[in-house]
Amino acid sequence: DADVTQTPRNRITKTGKRIMLECSQTKGHDRMYWYRQDPGLGLRLIYYSFDVKDINKGEISDGYSVSRQAQAKFSLSLESAIPNQTALYFCATSDPGVANYNEQFFGPGTRLTVL
Amino acid sequence: AQSVSQHNHHVILSEAASLELGCNYSYGGTVNLFWYVQYPGQHLQLLLKYFSGDPLVKGIKGFEAEFIKSKFSFNLRKPSVQWSDTAEYFCAVNPTSGTYKYIFGTGTRLKVLA
Repeated sequence: DADVTQTPRNRITKTGKRIMLECSQTKGHDRMYWYRQDPGLGLRLIYYSFDVKDINKGEISDGYSVSRQAQAKFSLSLESAIPNQTALYFCATSDPGVANYNEQFFGPGTRLTVL
Repeated sequence: AQSVSQHNHHVILSEAASLELGCNYSYGGTVNLFWYVQYPGQHLQLLLKYFSGDPLVKGIKGFEAEFIKSKFSFNLRKPSVQWSDTAEYFCAVNPTSGTYKYIFGTGTRLKVLA
């Protein structure tokens, strides 16, 4: 079983719709992240959370919101989707403990298309 | 501002050729360094990592990287590439103080011709 899962894997939606992307993990990590990947731009951080009560904006948080429902769950919402939010979205987790040195573990990604 | 530069955006090699992908970062403090690989249609997987000690680190599938602190570089190398190495490669830097965020480079897309 995958340690970091994302649902849905693919989604096509229309401009103005509200979309939620979900991420679950069984690694027991406190830290979770949402990134978007665009061709030529690499991965850019949208939001990150170091525990259930800690939510922080990343470099491109405008137009997005998140919810950390539990240690294992971190959801990303697009309140009113727009075409330039079409991208591949990745969830990741990490544990800064000595054994892992904050290595990040990625989910399989969600391909979102906004028409 | 902290940043990671990968100078080669697209690289095309023939099988058995040697590979070196550049990665430079701008951050004055201590960092953890990573190379991730993304095969077509798949998620990012860790290739190798450096935290401390020997600056030459070896990863999976014959890859290695050398950390040169004075040059703020962490270049990825492989002596002989295979067709199956076709993928996108990302360098990432994780400052060990402050917010512990990752900073990713823009990626290098490698195509290996059989």
